[in-house]
Formats: sequence, C-alpha cells, structure tokens
Amino acid sequence: AQSVTQLGSHVSVSEGALVLLRCNYSSSVPPYLFWYVQYPNQGLQLLLKYTSAATLVKGINGFEAEFKKSETSFHLTKPSAHMSDAAEYFCAVSGPNSGNTPLVFGKGTRLSVIA
Amino acid sequence: ETGVTQTPRHLVMGMTNKKSLKCEQHLGHNAMYWYKQSAKKPLELMFVYSLEERVENNSVPSRFSPECPNSSHLFLHLHTLQPEDSALYLCASSQEWGRAHTQYFGPGTRLTVL
Repeated sequence: AQSVTQLGSHVSVSEGALVLLRCNYSSSVPPYLFWYVQYPNQGLQLLLKYTSAATLVKGINGFEAEFKKSETSFHLTKPSAHMSDAAEYFCAVSGPNSGNTPLVFGKGTRLSVIA
Repeated sequence: ETGVTQTPRHLVMGMTNKKSLKCEQHLGHNAMYWYKQSAKKPLELMFVYSLEERVENNSVPSRFSPECPNSSHLFLHLHTLQPEDSALYLCASSQEWGRAHTQYFGPGTRLTVL
C-alpha cells in the first residue's frame, strides 16, 4: 500500500524567506500526488496536484511542487513566505493502481511565518 | 451556499446521546466522503459513497452509521460514542470516485464526546 511521510511536523520561516515543506511517498509506480492546505477552523483546500503530466506543478498562492521519481519526493515550495501562509499543509497520495484507491494523507506540517 | 457545507460546526454530546452530522455539496459531484481528523494523526478515511452507494468502509465501528439519501447529501449518525471519538469530522466530495479526482472539503464538525 502507498504511504506518505512529511518530514517535520512544524516548520518556521521568516516573512519573505523561502518555504520548503517536504513530502516523500512510497509507491512502485508514479502515483497521483496532492498538496492541501488547512487554515484554522477550516477544511482542506487543494493547493496543487500531480497527475503524471509536467513534473513541476504550479498551484495557487504562489506555491509549486516538483515530482522527483528518483527520490520519491514531492516537496512543496514558495519563494517568499507571507504571513497569510501560516497554516497546516498536507501531502496526499492516490494510486498507483488503475482502480479506485483512496487518498492517503501525511500527518501534516504546520507552517509558522515570523514577521 | 457554495462548495461543501457541514452542520453543525461544533457538537458536544454525552456518551449515551444520539446525534447526526450533515454534509451537503453544491458542486454536482457524484462521490462523497467522511474523514476523521484527530490531533497528531493523519486524516482517516471512514466512508466513501459513489452515486449513493457505499464503496468504502474502513473498519469503522458500528457506532458510526453513514447515510447517503442522494448525491448531494451525506449524513453521519452517531450513537453511544466514546471520548476517543472526539475529533474534527470532515466531509468531502469529488466529481467521481477515482484516484485522479480532486476532493473538495467542507469546514468540518468539531465533535467533543464527554
């Protein structure tokens, strides 16, 4: 079964600094990969998803993620952090079978942005 | 209303109570999901409905009983819950039940079991 590991339960960056949130997945073939964001007292919102097209995926709010098959990674980045980016971020994997398989989520990484 | 809505947003119940959580999606989707989000744990998929038929049931205790009367509504009936059932319960929907389809989430119901 596929699984997701998010390194670091809490990441803290200064406003304007690079944001890097790490996600590694386990799968024998390229899966579908997602990043979701959860703001306080809200549900999850899709940031971006990888579906085997371009390896560099651009999402909303200036975020992007790069699929690296050799490293089984799908790290999320943003060049310059903003205070409004403070939230919980979840990486999720679906697949690799052709059938209907559920999303498997990582434990999440809480991003804090310091002024 | 747009997107996925959930009511109530907060619920406190005793272990002997019976209550229901409601989810409604306004997106014209055919699949709906219940997730449990507990502190320090990954989101746990509880149930999946596709075209009003249950297609996934991840070993959820029988004190949780889902109901999907139509493709727009999903309920989670609760009875004789335990304190460890306290969590955020999230509803989601997607166009179809399938691995490439994006799931859209509601804001959740924060459940506290006393």
